[in-house]
Amino acid sequence: GQSLEQPSEVTAVEGAIVQINCTYQTSGFYGLSWYQQHDGGAPTFLSYNALDGLEETGRFSSFLSRSDSYGYLLLQELQMKDSASYFCAVRGSTTSGTYKYIFGTGTRLKVLA
Amino acid sequence: ETGVTQTPRHLVMGMTNKKSLKCEQHLGHNAMYWYKQSAKKPLELMFVYNFKEQTENNSVPSRFSPECPNSSHLFLHLHTLQPEDSALYLCASSQQSGEGETQYFGPGTRLLVL
Repeated sequence: GQSLEQPSEVTAVEGAIVQINCTYQTSGFYGLSWYQQHDGGAPTFLSYNALDGLEETGRFSSFLSRSDSYGYLLLQELQMKDSASYFCAVRGSTTSGTYKYIFGTGTRLKVLA
Repeated sequence: ETGVTQTPRHLVMGMTNKKSLKCEQHLGHNAMYWYKQSAKKPLELMFVYNFKEQTENNSVPSRFSPECPNSSHLFLHLHTLQPEDSALYLCASSQQSGEGETQYFGPGTRLLVL
């Protein structure tokens, strides 16, 4: 089957660094994305990794290791507004050759003052 | 303001009702998606439209019927739903349904089926 696993909840304090891991199992792989969703809001795109390595965008970085079927989202200098759910998503392929999007269950990040 | 709008934002309906959800994107994208988000579950992709053609139907029950009249509009027609269909229904769009594209989500319609 196809699945993604990520921790259900992570808690950290303001100013800290937190890493949210994602392991995936898919047939076909076209990249790992991360989305942020605040309570009551829509998911918003954070980052995308198609190749191995680290992608940095401001305080957020995302890493991918295709050989390990693993990636993570790194959040630095945490702020209260970073409290949200974070989803990893993988684009794989179906047996008919079309693309299939699979999302993880989400990691709820709580940032404490 | 995400460029993707959805109406209504909230909907309560009985199991015998027929209703429709509407999504509109103002981003000039060619691909549109319907997702279902239930509590404690991953986002579930329901349908994908690319250049107005349905390219994916993830074994969604026939009581959900999508319609894509053009690249900017997407509808989800609902009839004889079940209480377990209560969820947040999210619409998204992307430049096209290919590698590496970013999906832009609407605010969702929170549906309650009684």
